[in-house]
Formats: sequence, structure tokens, C-alpha cells
Amino acid sequence: EAGVTQFPSHSVIEKGQTVTLRCDPISGHDNLYWYRRVMGKEIKFLLHFVKESKQDESGMPNNRFLAERTGGTYSTLKVQPAELEDSGVYFCASSSRGNYGYTFGSGTRLTVV
Amino acid sequence: AQSVTQLGSHVSVSEGALVLLRCNYSSSVPPYLFWYVQYPNQGLQLLLKYTSAATLVKGINGFEAEFKKSETSFHLTKPSAHMSDAAEYFCAVSRSSNTGKLIFGQGTTLQVKP
Repeated sequence: EAGVTQFPSHSVIEKGQTVTLRCDPISGHDNLYWYRRVMGKEIKFLLHFVKESKQDESGMPNNRFLAERTGGTYSTLKVQPAELEDSGVYFCASSSRGNYGYTFGSGTRLTVV
Repeated sequence: AQSVTQLGSHVSVSEGALVLLRCNYSSSVPPYLFWYVQYPNQGLQLLLKYTSAATLVKGINGFEAEFKKSETSFHLTKPSAHMSDAAEYFCAVSRSSNTGKLIFGQGTTLQVKP
């Protein structure tokens, strides 16, 4: 089966610009998660979708971040406007219901300059 | 609240030597525990997971981990390191069967010397 795919793999934007990250989970996986790793820190949970619904968005840093999951398939994470502290690697993961072994994507490395 | 502590941000071993990566967790409920590995320029790959069955969990690539409730530990071991094991390793904990949110440790970079 195809894995979790993230686009783009790298993005460099200027402070104040908008960036949209995309995640395509494994087909049929109801659960989709976003995580972020800021340089030198641990990987932190951002939010969790079950199908198209947000199950838990307690990790979203502020209202500059907007996540959507269209029709329960792919998901986008938009940062608007981007700030320097948003730089890091954004990981997406998916799993089927009741499965605790997530499949992670390769991540999007976001650099805000 | 749950938390994970990985002792040692960098561990260096010689090829063929024992690998021991330490992980301690804090959880108010029976935890689910995981080890992930990240090779350069790749995503996180599941090595193994503990889900309240056997306390000694065997994973891929010869790795295993033992859940010790009394010590709140879930250390990762491999009897003989290979050059290809060089990567960053993450311990993670989850408390709920519903959310599945993972709490990660800070990661341990394993260096394998020839």
C-alpha cells in the first residue's frame, strides 16, 4: 500500500506569508494526525482528525494555524501569517481505527525567514 | 499528564556492541508505549509497541524493549549494533484508545562507530 505522502518536502517562505502543507494519508485510514518538531525540541502533537471531524486540536499553537480535512481524505495545514517561530518539521501520520501503530509521512521542513 | 524522558540525547556505540537507549515515562493510566526510528531524510518508522500484552516486546531489525511498570521504563535494546542502525530514536506514550495522541521524548541520536 502507498504510504503517507506529504507535500512539499521543503518550503522556505518569508515572515508574514502564507504556506499550506498537504498530507495524503493511507487510503481508508480514518485517523489523521499532525505533529511538529521545532529544532532541538521534541515532536509535539498538533491535532487529530477522525474522518473529516477534528477530534482533538489541543496542540494547535494559535489561530494562525488552520487545519482541514476534505471529505475525510487528504488534509491541509495552513499557516497564515507565518512567523519565525513556526519553522520546523511538520509530520503527518495516519492510522486505522483502533490501530496504535501510526504510519508517518516524511515530513515537510518549513523555514520562515 | 503524561510525559516521556529519554536519557541521553546522543549515544555512541561500536559496531557489534550492545545498544541500550533509555526511556522513562510518566502516566496516570496504563500506558501504550512506542519506539520510533527516523533515518536521515525519512519519516518516522515504528520499531515496536507495548499495548499491555507481553512485557517484552520484539520489534523490527532485531530491536526489543521491556516494559517495567515498577521502574516506569521502556528501554530499547539490541544485542549487536550495525552501521545501518545509526539514526534518531524516539520513545512515545499514549494513554487513550480513543485519541491515540502520542507524547514523544526528545529523541536519542545513535551513532555507530566502525
